[in-house]
Amino acid sequence: DAKTTQPNSMESNEEEPVHLPCNHSTISGTDYIHWYRQLPSQGPEYVIHGLTSNVNNRMASLAIAEDRKSSTLILHRATLRDAAVYYCILRGGYGGATNKLIFGTGTLLAVQP
Amino acid sequence: ETGVTQTPRHLVMGMTNKKSLKCEQHLGHNAMYWYKQSAKKPLELMFVYSLEERVENNSVPSRFSPECPNSSHLFLHLHTLQPEDSALYLCASSQDPDGNTEAFFGQGTRLTVV
Repeated sequence: DAKTTQPNSMESNEEEPVHLPCNHSTISGTDYIHWYRQLPSQGPEYVIHGLTSNVNNRMASLAIAEDRKSSTLILHRATLRDAAVYYCILRGGYGGATNKLIFGTGTLLAVQP
Repeated sequence: ETGVTQTPRHLVMGMTNKKSLKCEQHLGHNAMYWYKQSAKKPLELMFVYSLEERVENNSVPSRFSPECPNSSHLFLHLHTLQPEDSALYLCASSQDPDGNTEAFFGQGTRLTVV
């Protein structure tokens, strides 16, 4: 499985933007970049995913490097409820063994009031 | 509320008991998954079902037995578990097992084996 590398932890202040980095230098052409987050005592929650172009939704934005070897999840205004573990995951295209959703250790985001 | 419901939320069982975990989704999804999350460890993928067929079994011991009777329901049957099997068991579903689809997770069943 293609691997991702994320910082173990990050800190942010409330109402400020947060940029969560992810490196995936061995990404293949058909791998989608997914982001999930897990709040304490809850199951993971889908945040966003993309293939090549930057993506925006109501929760966040995903900026993908031109060579696709790295990406950044952007939370535009952090709130206390955004404190969670954020996972960056590569998921292969249709069919085959690489489309499994495999979680790593993620980035623990702390948000200070 | 994600549309994926797991029951029970908490379960305590002895090592000689037999119990089942249930997962239900009414999202019209065709793929369902079981994950295990032990304390301070990443989520581990256990099983993947696509259109009610098991397509992935990640070397899970036979004391865990999954069942998918239809596309809306997934069970995990448990028997003769060990204390180290105590963990949060999470169910998820997605439209299909395709990299371009998002997965929705249930709240999990917190299992304690005594």
